[in-house]
Amino acid sequence: GNSVTQMEGPVTLSEEAFLTINCTYTATGYPSLFWYVQYPGEGLQLLLKATKADDKGSNKGFEATYRKETTSFHLEKGSVQVSDSAVYFCALTSSGSARQLTFGSGTQLTVLP
Amino acid sequence: DAGITQSPRHKVTETGTPVTLRCHQTENHRYMYWYRQDPGHGLRLIHYSYGVKDTDKGEVSDGYSVSRSKTEDFLLTLESATSSQTSVYFCAIRSGETSTDTQYFGPGTRLTVL
Repeated sequence: GNSVTQMEGPVTLSEEAFLTINCTYTATGYPSLFWYVQYPGEGLQLLLKATKADDKGSNKGFEATYRKETTSFHLEKGSVQVSDSAVYFCALTSSGSARQLTFGSGTQLTVLP
Repeated sequence: DAGITQSPRHKVTETGTPVTLRCHQTENHRYMYWYRQDPGHGLRLIHYSYGVKDTDKGEVSDGYSVSRSKTEDFLLTLESATSSQTSVYFCAIRSGETSTDTQYFGPGTRLTVL
């Protein structure tokens, strides 16, 4: 079945540091890949997505590239802010009609001023 | 904002009691989903619906049932709540039905079973 493996947290960075959160996946077919973000006490918000190999998703300074050869979708940001503190989830969709999401376990990011 | 609301937002109940959570959408999406979120597990699919009266099981469906009598409402029922069902429950809708579709989530319901 499908699975997503995410970098273990928590991750603590200083403001303006470079961020990488690793995500690798196992899936049949050609899944779409997503990063969702959850701020404290809130639901999940879509951060970015990529639907085919070599696509780059980007939003709010975050980027991730769909790498089929390494089955990876690592999240990066060049300069994090305190407001980026949140839990980040990598996810993929199933190839069937249900298109259910399979999530990684989440990575807690804390950015210190 | 995908026009998704969930009710209640918080609930505390006792073991053995029935509980119903409601998800309401305003944009007429065909697919709706219920997930639960637990530490160390991300989110896991409980049930989903692909239309009025059309539902199917997900990965962790035991102890849960769902109903969808109207396009806009998707109900999740715990027939007899157990402590293992203490969790945060999220509803989602699917926007689009092609390979570029995306799921958007509601604000969640925090359920505590004592």
